[in-house]
Amino acid sequence: GAVVSQHPSWVICKSGTSVKIECRSLDFQATTMFWYRQFPKQSLMLMATSNEGSKATYEQGVEKDKFLINHASLTLSTLTVTSAHPEDSSFYICSARNKVGHSNQPQHFGDGTRLSIL
Amino acid sequence: RKEVEQDPGPFNVPEGATVAFNCTYSNSASQSFFWYRQDCRKEPKLLMSVYSSGNEDGRFTAQLNRASQYISLLIRDSKLSDSATYLCVVTSTGTASKLTFGTGTRLQVTL
Repeated sequence: GAVVSQHPSWVICKSGTSVKIECRSLDFQATTMFWYRQFPKQSLMLMATSNEGSKATYEQGVEKDKFLINHASLTLSTLTVTSAHPEDSSFYICSARNKVGHSNQPQHFGDGTRLSIL
Repeated sequence: RKEVEQDPGPFNVPEGATVAFNCTYSNSASQSFFWYRQDCRKEPKLLMSVYSSGNEDGRFTAQLNRASQYISLLIRDSKLSDSATYLCVVTSTGTASKLTFGTGTRLQVTL
């Protein structure tokens, strides 16, 4: 089945550090990738939609200057949490949809990045 | 009102039991529906898509009622390995097809 790789899986760093998370589709091309955040005991919340070759679309309340998204190729999207603070500590998950096929086909998720800011 | 609502549970059932989860969604224009499974501290994994005609995959049966904006998942002959959180997921309209997740229903299957 389709595989989405996310790296790193776990990050612990000091407040003020910027952290980059990578999301790769390993066996398919993805024109669209999605970035989610999940706080403990809460549902996944969409942060932004990453489109290959164009600017990301951010959900209401998500600061685009804080969460920088780059989707430079059909297999890679990156999320950079700039100047991270403890309240940014969360589980960040990406998903990707194969560019081939109907736009409503299921998305495939990366295995997530657990970010802890001290 | 939340876009996708689920009973958070937990549902504690013995092995071999049949258990059903329900989900309601508020956007009548929603197009696609899925059940995902999420284990603790892991990413969601697609369990099955949900079709208006109802669909079955082994011990799992999903139903969709568009008129009532209601989705269900039935698990028969529960296994210990079925213990997880089950997420009801709905896509919005439009080409981006964003997923909207319910908060999930936690299932614990016991001996």
